[in-house]
Amino acid sequence: GQQLNQSPQSMFIQEGEDVSMNCTSSSIFNTWLWYKQDPGEGPVLLIALYKAGELTSNGRLTAQFGITRKDSFLNISASIPSDVGIYFCAAKDSGYALNFGKGTSLLVTP
Amino acid sequence: GAVVSQHPSRVICKSGTSVKIECRSLDFQATTMFWYRQFPKQSLMLMATSNEGSKATYEQGVEKDKFLINHASLTLSTLTVTSAHPEDSSFYICSATTRGTGELFFGEGSRLTVL
Repeated sequence: GQQLNQSPQSMFIQEGEDVSMNCTSSSIFNTWLWYKQDPGEGPVLLIALYKAGELTSNGRLTAQFGITRKDSFLNISASIPSDVGIYFCAAKDSGYALNFGKGTSLLVTP
Repeated sequence: GAVVSQHPSRVICKSGTSVKIECRSLDFQATTMFWYRQFPKQSLMLMATSNEGSKATYEQGVEKDKFLINHASLTLSTLTVTSAHPEDSSFYICSATTRGTGELFFGEGSRLTVL
């Protein structure tokens, strides 16, 4: 699979701050997904994006499918301690296999 | 949402033994299941794709004789790590999808430690 370029690699923020992370690719994808993984657990789907330009929210999370279909971002507003974890972007074309970013490790201090 | 369950969540075995990890889709029929391997602080690495009733397709560099995958039913896929070595110690995660939405659901992961 093709590796997605995810940044930043890690973030260390204070509770209440907003967070932004993004993924880029040299290839076009039909679907962008954002997952959160807690230690010792499998990834949990946060937001799925199926259309270029789509902006979708899930509570304090907002994600957008880039208009070029080569990028996506995830924003977390008013972070809380339970937001701690590793966030992965993932993308796929017409097939089922997912391409993953390397992850963004988020630490939130009270 | 759909639930995918993995068992066992943790397993410790001796070098040279074989270990089987199960991945079950609990409330939907999984036409395709994927097996991933994840090293600490790394992303998920796709090992193989399995379709129900057919042989798994392995990614380049993954030994099919070492990582045996069986997808005998629409709700169960198994990964058997044969003749395990300490370097096989890792976090193994499965995911499953159905033809309907194409949405992927992940299992909770299985931590394998080979002594």
